[in-house]
Amino acid sequence: NAGVTQTPKFQVLKTGQSMTLQCAQDMNHEYMSWYRQDPGMGLRLIHYSVGAGITDQGEVPNGYNVSRSTTEDFPLRLLSAAPSQTSVYFCASSRDRGLSGNTIYFGEGSWLTVV
Amino acid sequence: KNQVEQSPQSLIILEGKNCTLQCNYTVSPFSNLRWYKQDTGRGPVSLTIMTFSENTKSNGRYTATLDADTKQSSLHITASQLSDSASYICVVKRGGSQGNLIFGKGTKLSVKP
Repeated sequence: NAGVTQTPKFQVLKTGQSMTLQCAQDMNHEYMSWYRQDPGMGLRLIHYSVGAGITDQGEVPNGYNVSRSTTEDFPLRLLSAAPSQTSVYFCASSRDRGLSGNTIYFGEGSWLTVV
Repeated sequence: KNQVEQSPQSLIILEGKNCTLQCNYTVSPFSNLRWYKQDTGRGPVSLTIMTFSENTKSNGRYTATLDADTKQSSLHITASQLSDSASYICVVKRGGSQGNLIFGKGTKLSVKP
């Protein structure tokens, strides 16, 4: 039972490059989301999806793009990397948005450095 | 403003001792409150989830309390172990159609032998 799987674990990008962080879950969860975690701050929501074909912006969406073609996968795309996007990225999934108290599962994180 | 404040920022205790971490929130409307454990270099792992009507919830040596009137929660760790060294994050789920999660900055706990 893999849970939430993120790849890559570590990545170094040059300013202006693009890349995709992959996220997959095997729990048949409808709700998936991407967060970034920066030193001295709580996790902040980038984008989320309530089901296949449906995505929406979170608190800090600028510079990122997402799609949800299947229930299992929710990739995060950095369109033109900037040093301000240096961060740790976490993908999460849950049965719903969490109002009912369902557990939210996080991936192991992707460490991204933009130079 | 919807905020979650945790204290202390960091804490060092000796193995076998107990400790209590605090979480105060101003989130409204309130749906539920969650405590997560995040080991260094890993993703957060759920410890407890409490709704408005729940005062206490335990998970092994971890016991969370919630006072919805004062908007305070605590996480008590009993008989600490070296493996308890981690950051503990308090998260409040807003109610309503938005329903977003508000994360605290975490308390970094170090358990020394």
